[in-house]
Amino acid sequence: GENVEQHPSTLSVQEGDSAVIKCTYSDSASNYFPWYKQELGKRPQLIIDIRSNVGEKKDQRIAVTLNKTAKHFSLHITETQPEDSAVYFCAVNTGGFKTIFGAGTRLFVKA
Amino acid sequence: ETGVTQSPTHLIKTRGQQVTLRCSSQSGHNTVSWYQQALGQGPQFIFQYYREEENGRGNFPPRFSGLQFPNYSSELNVNALELDDSALYLCASSPGTGGYEQYFGPGTRLTVT
Repeated sequence: GENVEQHPSTLSVQEGDSAVIKCTYSDSASNYFPWYKQELGKRPQLIIDIRSNVGEKKDQRIAVTLNKTAKHFSLHITETQPEDSAVYFCAVNTGGFKTIFGAGTRLFVKA
Repeated sequence: ETGVTQSPTHLIKTRGQQVTLRCSSQSGHNTVSWYQQALGQGPQFIFQYYREEENGRGNFPPRFSGLQFPNYSSELNVNALELDDSALYLCASSPGTGGYEQYFGPGTRLTVT
């Protein structure tokens, strides 16, 4: 079945720096790659997503890149702010009913 | 536009008991998926409901069951509770199947003692 690996598990950056989180997947049929942000005690929030026919997508300070050949996709956050501190999850779907989540990356942004 | 809601917020049950969790989907969404999130882990897919039918299931035993109603709200039922069932249970609604654009509810924190 599909397997999703997420790295790093913890990431600490200085305010204003960039943060990059990477995920790899195993099923070449995967075609939808969302990213979720989960603050402590709150629900996961969809922050950006990309479909397999697109290589990159940006939304203000966040961007996602997809390399289908290598089966990996990454979340890029520029000009990080303390409010970006949270756990970030990548996820993968093959267009079917099942979404597989990564184990999460805890991002700390130091002021 | 109304967001996804869940009830109750917290629940404490004893091993062997049964529990029912509820989810109201976002306006315009006809698909509900349920996830179990253990502490420090990513959400794990339990099952998905589309138009009142179970559309697919993850690696969870049959004591996890569900329902979807004509208004697209949904229930998750867990029988014969075990200590390992303690987790945050999340539902997510979406405008269709395929896992696209899932929006999560706030979750129900279940503690089994």
